[in-house]
Amino acid sequence: QVQLQESGPGLVKPSETLSLTCTVSGGSMSSYYWSWIRQPPGKGLEWIGYIYYSGSTNYNSSLKSRVTISVDTSKNQYSLKLSSVTAADTAVYYCARGARHGNYVRWIDPWGQGTQVTVSS
Amino acid sequence: QSALTQPASVSGSPGQSITISCTGTSSDVGDYNYVSWYQQHPGKAPKLMIYDVIYRPSGVSDRFSGSKSGNTASLTISGLQAEDEADYYCGSFTSSSTQVFGTGTKVTVL
Repeated sequence: QVQLQESGPGLVKPSETLSLTCTVSGGSMSSYYWSWIRQPPGKGLEWIGYIYYSGSTNYNSSLKSRVTISVDTSKNQYSLKLSSVTAADTAVYYCARGARHGNYVRWIDPWGQGTQVTVSS
Repeated sequence: QSALTQPASVSGSPGQSITISCTGTSSDVGDYNYVSWYQQHPGKAPKLMIYDVIYRPSGVSDRFSGSKSGNTASLTISGLQAEDEADYYCGSFTSSSTQVFGTGTKVTVL
């Protein structure tokens, strides 16, 4: 049973870079897409981007200029960096696995428990 | 990429059936059978309820069913129970090889 766990600072200052890591346990990272998704307080889910285990990435166009997702399969981890953050980036950040069929992401499961990140000085 | 459109809220009495719609475009819902549905209870992570439009993961009640017609997908909950009260989100693969989620629907059991 694959499990995902987010880790990283819960408080980030405006204009700085948000950095989170997702640790994958109970399974291999091979042949899956590894996603980051966020949820601002009281709002809906927003897909941030994903990385294939080989390193190829795809990002939400609205965040693309500020987002970098990287993977370290030797550690069974992947990471999110979001630069120049503002209060609008305050959210619960989830890491999650995407099921793959060719170049398509069919569904997202399982999800990590989520980690609250607040942007404030 | 705009969010898929869902009704803000749907309600029903115990035992009734309700349906949640999820409207996209020909660049996402309409063009791929990669629509999924997620249930989210307050303070919890989303849980996959339906994938590939109509399929239920192991362990999900058969009271949950999915369908699609054109650019609109639907989730039906039959025999509504108190434990079904939650937020529900649809998701779809897109022609840009990205994922998009719906705006979310709050289900209330009266």
